Amino acid sequence: DGGITQSPKYLFRKEGQNVTLSCEQNLNHDAMYWYRQDPGQGLRLIYYSQIVNDFQKGDIAEGYSVSREKKESFPLTVTSAQKNPTAFYLCASSAWDGNYGYTFGSGTRLTVV
Amino acid sequence: DQQVKQNSPSLSVQEGRISILNCDYTNSMFDYFLWYKKYPAEGPTFLISISSIKDKNEDGRFTVFLNKSAKHLSLHIVPSQPGDSAVYFCAARASGGYNKLIFGAGTRLAVHP
Repeated sequence: DGGITQSPKYLFRKEGQNVTLSCEQNLNHDAMYWYRQDPGQGLRLIYYSQIVNDFQKGDIAEGYSVSREKKESFPLTVTSAQKNPTAFYLCASSAWDGNYGYTFGSGTRLTVV
Repeated sequence: DQQVKQNSPSLSVQEGRISILNCDYTNSMFDYFLWYKKYPAEGPTFLISISSIKDKNEDGRFTVFLNKSAKHLSLHIVPSQPGDSAVYFCAARASGGYNKLIFGAGTRLAVHP
């Protein structure tokens, strides 16, 4: 079955550490996205990528970095520069066939300890 | 500046009754609107969408209405069922650019037996 997989589901990070969240899709979608969800704030866009080897900052990119070396993969690194990293992170992908909807992964909950 | 607003953070409805979730937007360049449903600790799933050239789209128990002059859309669920209890996100896409969705903050729907 085609889908989008995020791992790990739960992640604990010590202050000052970088961590990388994995996102893989086998939907053959060109575009991929990272969102962050905080209580009462909905989904905020961190980074997005329309095509391999290209990506753009979203609304809250500070303290995060991404790469898009393969069509299927769009990992997100939460760096030590991100001051409030504890949140629920969602990865999504979309096609360009007129259906503008996103397919979301099941999310990664990151907690700083 | 929130371009997509869901002003009701929560809604409680009795089973069998109608649920009406509302969404307002400010950007007149939005040409496509979507509703997503999200359970705790899971990724959002696509529910229903509407193009700006239409004013209504129906799919089973779910109907979305779009009032372009008022920059308002609503999701009607009839009849409501306990399994509909979730957070509902409204999303909008601007025409002419990347397939980037802007999400509202979400409305938590509770359907009581």
